[in-house]
Amino acid sequence: DAGVTQSPTHLIKTRGQHVTLRCSPISGHKSVSWYQQVLGQGPQFIFQYYEKEERGRGNFPDRFSARQFPNYSSELNVNALLLGDSALYLCASSYRTDGHEQYFGPGTRLTVT
Amino acid sequence: EDQVTQSPEALRLQEGESSSLNCSYTVSGLRGLFWYRQDPGKGPEFLFTLYSAGEEKEKERLKATLTKKESFLHITAPKPEDSATYLCAVQAGSYIPTFGRGTSLIVHP
Repeated sequence: DAGVTQSPTHLIKTRGQHVTLRCSPISGHKSVSWYQQVLGQGPQFIFQYYEKEERGRGNFPDRFSARQFPNYSSELNVNALLLGDSALYLCASSYRTDGHEQYFGPGTRLTVT
Repeated sequence: EDQVTQSPEALRLQEGESSSLNCSYTVSGLRGLFWYRQDPGKGPEFLFTLYSAGEEKEKERLKATLTKKESFLHITAPKPEDSATYLCAVQAGSYIPTFGRGTSLIVHP
């Protein structure tokens, strides 16, 4: 079975621009979560969706938004990019309703200049 | 606020030299404690979920244990391919997991 896939792999944007990151979960997984990981730190939770409903939201500004589609794929949108948004953005999926046992994708490396 | 502290930050071992990584946590109503392995430039790889004090889980050379305040990841006779960053995370009543900063493990041949 294919794992979690994310696109694009790398992305370079300018301050003030908007970015959309995409994620396809493992087949059969209905829960998708998004994380931001800065170098040298653990992943920081951004959002979790289950069956297209937002289940949890981390401590991120309203510039960050996400949605889940009927096929359970998901998008993370970030508006008005700041230099501090440069990070590895990880998507994880789970077959569990509580989001435990998450399987991560390879991530999207976002650089804001 | 949930807190997770991992120690040591970095650990260097010789091949075959067993050791343990520590994850101390403060959380109200633990629903699950998770261990992940992360290789450079890649997403974390799920290893274990522990739910209650006294629980233990094993996978190859790795064994995870849980008490009311901390979890240990024991690595027995490590090999160079065990080199990675090991992440610990906790989840309480909400759906929001809190990760530690990880322990970077290097195993020398």
